[in-house]
Amino acid sequence: AQSVTQLGSHVSVSEGALVLLRCNYSSSVPPYLFWYVQYPNQGLQLLLKYTSAATLVKGINGFEAEFKKSETSFHLTKPSAHMSDAAEYFCAVSLTGGYQKVTFGTGTKLQVIP
Amino acid sequence: KAGVTQTPRYLIKTRGQQVTLSCSPISGHRSVSWYQQTPGQGLQFLFEYFSETQRNKGNFPGRFSGRQFSNSRSEMNVSTLELGDSALYLCASSLERGDYTFGSGTRLTVV
Repeated sequence: AQSVTQLGSHVSVSEGALVLLRCNYSSSVPPYLFWYVQYPNQGLQLLLKYTSAATLVKGINGFEAEFKKSETSFHLTKPSAHMSDAAEYFCAVSLTGGYQKVTFGTGTKLQVIP
Repeated sequence: KAGVTQTPRYLIKTRGQQVTLSCSPISGHRSVSWYQQTPGQGLQFLFEYFSETQRNKGNFPGRFSGRQFSNSRSEMNVSTLELGDSALYLCASSLERGDYTFGSGTRLTVV
């Protein structure tokens, strides 16, 4: 079985500061990993995904994440926060091979302080 | 191109009733997955359909069911509604695993 743990249900950063949202995964086999963003009253939007190619993955809106197998981590970063980044972020994992469901973390709400 | 369309957007039902939610995926996407989102439990996987076959199922009681039609549109049904079924129900379609496009969801309130 696979799972993800997101550390910190709420994160606050100042506008222009580094954004770091943490995600650790548990998987018995190499996983696929994803980050999604959800704005109020909307569905989730895919930010980026890791599928065993490059370990540093670049996504939309200036976000990127690095897959670190030794740390079983897939943290999401952005060098400079914008007010428009305020949203809830979800890390997700799926096993490779076969028809595997996608399991989501519990989410991290990002607040950007002007 | 059109996104994933979920109808209705909002629904209020009484305990004991049943409800049917609809999802139209992106054209060409044959996989449709359903999730229940609540503040306490986060996103919980309900089921996934691919080419009219249920390919995966989450840990929900039998009151939750779904189906997919030949045009890939999907419906989910909840019978004998309980207060705890109040949630945002999200549908997602995909070509590849996890590369989901989500709809805006149906917010179900059970009173």
